Amino acid sequence: NAGVMQNPRHLVRRRGQEARLRCSPMKGHSHVYWYRQLPEEGLKFMVYLQKENIIDESGMPKERFSAEFPKEGPSILRIQQVVRGDSAAYFCASSPPTFTGELFFGEGSRLTVL
Amino acid sequence: AQSVTQLGSHVSVSEGALVLLRCNYSSSVPPYLFWYVQYPNQGLQLLLKYTSAATLVKGINGFEAEFKKSETSFHLTKPSAHMSDAAEYFCAVSDRNAGNMLTFGGGTRLMVKP
Repeated sequence: NAGVMQNPRHLVRRRGQEARLRCSPMKGHSHVYWYRQLPEEGLKFMVYLQKENIIDESGMPKERFSAEFPKEGPSILRIQQVVRGDSAAYFCASSPPTFTGELFFGEGSRLTVL
Repeated sequence: AQSVTQLGSHVSVSEGALVLLRCNYSSSVPPYLFWYVQYPNQGLQLLLKYTSAATLVKGINGFEAEFKKSETSFHLTKPSAHMSDAAEYFCAVSDRNAGNMLTFGGGTRLMVKP
């Protein structure tokens, strides 16, 4: 399967714990995008990364959220001290370095905060 | 800045009836436009895309969309709805200035009645 891989698919955390979501892009793709989908809402852009570089984080909440895409390994979206409002589906997408105007999405990680 | 507006968060049609999902966009540069479909608890799948070639774009599952610059619209249609078309549909816009980043509309949930 050469698609975008996200794990875990489902994650349950208690308030105050940390959540780590992982994304492995498609083979040959060096750009990763994270989106958040709140219940009954559309997808909101969070952050756009290249290897070892954050290109655009204009959609990231100012506190508790961080993202990285290291030289080796998957991209990670980290949420510290989770609150109930963080419960959502987090989608990762990838694209090749050249502009194609298209993103390829993973199946999402669904975070539930108790 | 780009934006997408999808009129009607819920659309209900009878099986065999015409499907029309509306999308209007705002972009300061010639846009690339997309329709994605999301089935329950799954990721987003590309239905079709407009990238400045033919204004009438055909996609998978019998869907098509027409780019109308004068109306800044990119409405999605299908002549005859099938029960399996029931899903959430998202319109999105991107441009070269934003890499491959997509801006999504709020989504339209399509329900198909037998």
